[in-house]
Amino acid sequence: DIQLTQSPSFLSASVEDRVTITCRASQGISSYLGWYQQKPGKAPKLLIYAASTLQSGVPSRFSGSGSGTEFTLTISSLQPEDFATYFCQQLNSYPITFGQGTRLEIK
Amino acid sequence: EVQLVESGGGLIQPGGSLRLSCAASGFIVSNNFMNWVRQAPGKGLEWVSIIYSDGNTYYADSVKGRFTFSRDNSKNTLYLQMNSLRAEDTAVYYCARGGTSWQGKYYFDYWGQGTLVTVSS
Repeated sequence: DIQLTQSPSFLSASVEDRVTITCRASQGISSYLGWYQQKPGKAPKLLIYAASTLQSGVPSRFSGSGSGTEFTLTISSLQPEDFATYFCQQLNSYPITFGQGTRLEIK
Repeated sequence: EVQLVESGGGLIQPGGSLRLSCAASGFIVSNNFMNWVRQAPGKGLEWVSIIYSDGNTYYADSVKGRFTFSRDNSKNTLYLQMNSLRAEDTAVYYCARGGTSWQGKYYFDYWGQGTLVTVSS
């Protein structure tokens, strides 16, 4: 199985900060990576697919990059509604796996 | 409008069975790759199963042989039959559509609200 390791697991930041979350895969997954945002008590929401393509309706302050084994999600200017947990997901091979999550909290 | 509504969760004893449903509207489930994903309380996301548009299914090793993913095209509804349930199956179960595609991979663009399954004596 492909393991995805996110760092950091917890991040404290302020509104308008720029933050970056990293996702490392245990083996190469090309660009078959997605990023999801989840708020408490809610279902996840797709933000980025194919490592760097913004899902329709997602604000442009979110961006993704990377290929192979190392990927990043960047939020250029944090807004109050961005404080949530973020997960990466690989679709390169079965089983589909997710990272353990990065919890982003207000400083 | 695309909607997914799960139901069927509840409290079940270890070794018991439960069937979850996911009613879809706004699109045709048989034309899409559909998934079940679960999340144990306070934990991360775990992919459970997928059903392809051709009816083929894949399962996580943790549920293989115990869970069965099916669909009723006439009702536009998905089902997850869960047998031999264990305490570690306790989670919120989400159905999710693999509707955003790139190079043959289908990302989960719509999710239901989830249904809680608690396996406990």
